[in-house]
Amino acid sequence: DAGVIQSPRHEVTEMGQEVTLRCKPISGHNSLFWYRQTMMRGLELLIYFNNNVPIDDSGMPEDRFSAKMPNASFSTLKIQPSEPRDSAVYFCASLDRGFLGSGANVLTFGAGSRLTVL
Amino acid sequence: EDQVTQSPEALRLQEGESSSLNCSYTVSGLRGLFWYRQDPGKGPEFLFTLYSAGEEKEKERLKATLTKKESFLHITAPKPEDSATYLCAVRLDSSYKLIFGSGTRLLVRP
Repeated sequence: DAGVIQSPRHEVTEMGQEVTLRCKPISGHNSLFWYRQTMMRGLELLIYFNNNVPIDDSGMPEDRFSAKMPNASFSTLKIQPSEPRDSAVYFCASLDRGFLGSGANVLTFGAGSRLTVL
Repeated sequence: EDQVTQSPEALRLQEGESSSLNCSYTVSGLRGLFWYRQDPGKGPEFLFTLYSAGEEKEKERLKATLTKKESFLHITAPKPEDSATYLCAVRLDSSYKLIFGSGTRLLVRP
């Protein structure tokens, strides 16, 4: 498996612009998580989905952030409008809730999308 | 409030100099403690899961242990390739979401 695939790897945009980050989870995984990583706050959970349904979005900073998972193989995180304080690395991660073998309950992360808002 | 604290923030070792990283937690109900390794420009990579006090896991030069209040990641005779940020995370309930500590940046010099 190619693992969790995120795009773009790097994004530089100007304040006020819309940003869309994309994620393809590992095939067969039924939970998907979006995290944000900054030097000041570390890794923070933004939102997660079970079977494509948003379960907990309490970590989403504000209404400028939205996330969707239209099917089991694709999710987006959108920021509109973007602000300089949104600059961070955004990670997508997935897992198989029903897997009971070695590696059960283990989140697998993508390589991240580094966002810079000028 | 559920909290995960890692120490030290940064650690410099000479190759072969063994040491330990600490992860202390104050949570309402621990359902698992996870250790991840993160290299620059990459996502966290899973190392270990520990579920109950007294449990230990080993992988090459790394050994993770768990008590009721903290976990240690012991590094024996480290090599330069062990240089990375080591992240600790706790799972609190059936949701599978993880709460991460701020990490320990480890540098091993040859």
